[in-house]
Amino acid sequence: DSGVTQTPKHLITATGQRVTLRCSPRSGDLSVYWYQQSLDQGLQFLIQYYNGEERAKGNILERFSAQQFPDLHSELNLSSLELGDSALYFCASSGNTGLANEKLFFGSGTQLSVL
Amino acid sequence: AQKITQTQPGMFVQEKEAVTLDCTYDTSDQSYGLFWYKQPSSGEMIFLIYQGSYDEQNATEGRYSLNFQKARKSANLVISASQLGDSAMYFCAMREENYGGSQGNLIFGKGTKLSVKP
Repeated sequence: DSGVTQTPKHLITATGQRVTLRCSPRSGDLSVYWYQQSLDQGLQFLIQYYNGEERAKGNILERFSAQQFPDLHSELNLSSLELGDSALYFCASSGNTGLANEKLFFGSGTQLSVL
Repeated sequence: AQKITQTQPGMFVQEKEAVTLDCTYDTSDQSYGLFWYKQPSSGEMIFLIYQGSYDEQNATEGRYSLNFQKARKSANLVISASQLGDSAMYFCAMREENYGGSQGNLIFGKGTKLSVKP
């Protein structure tokens, strides 16, 4: 168990809808990262938050947004969903020391299916 | 440009034999870290091993070792004495270090699917 909790594990929805994915980081970790894993694109970094502030942005669509709350949990909001948004969405956390050796601890992911 | 390249989409290995999974990377930074993660069919991402760019010794963690060749920019994962439970996707990843911790995300390769045959 990595200590990172993601809910829900599975989500099935329709095109055009909006969903919210939730992540609780490991106790003490200040950084939260969101990744999207699809068969054709692999693991793509979406966005990073550190102690409530956006720290880095990757290949995140404008239809997607995220935030980190004062209790450090994070939510990823996906709106106007398209078939191509179907993927496994991971949350990861780290202490963010800024050192290269800091590993990321991953949650078990949310499998999103857009029908 | 692709920062992490894993050229083997799939590999087979006989149980109890050793296997090497290839990874090459591209960076102009002097300080960086290289990671390997395992993703079994259940989907979770499991950290296996880490190698720092300044580490002179190759990293080892149990049956996992990292063959680090800095000049060639390669960081191959070696799994010794393969077990059936090693069947999974394996991802190589890199973090470039920035002072001040401004960016901590890992950049992943596309992965190698390892199948261990009994």
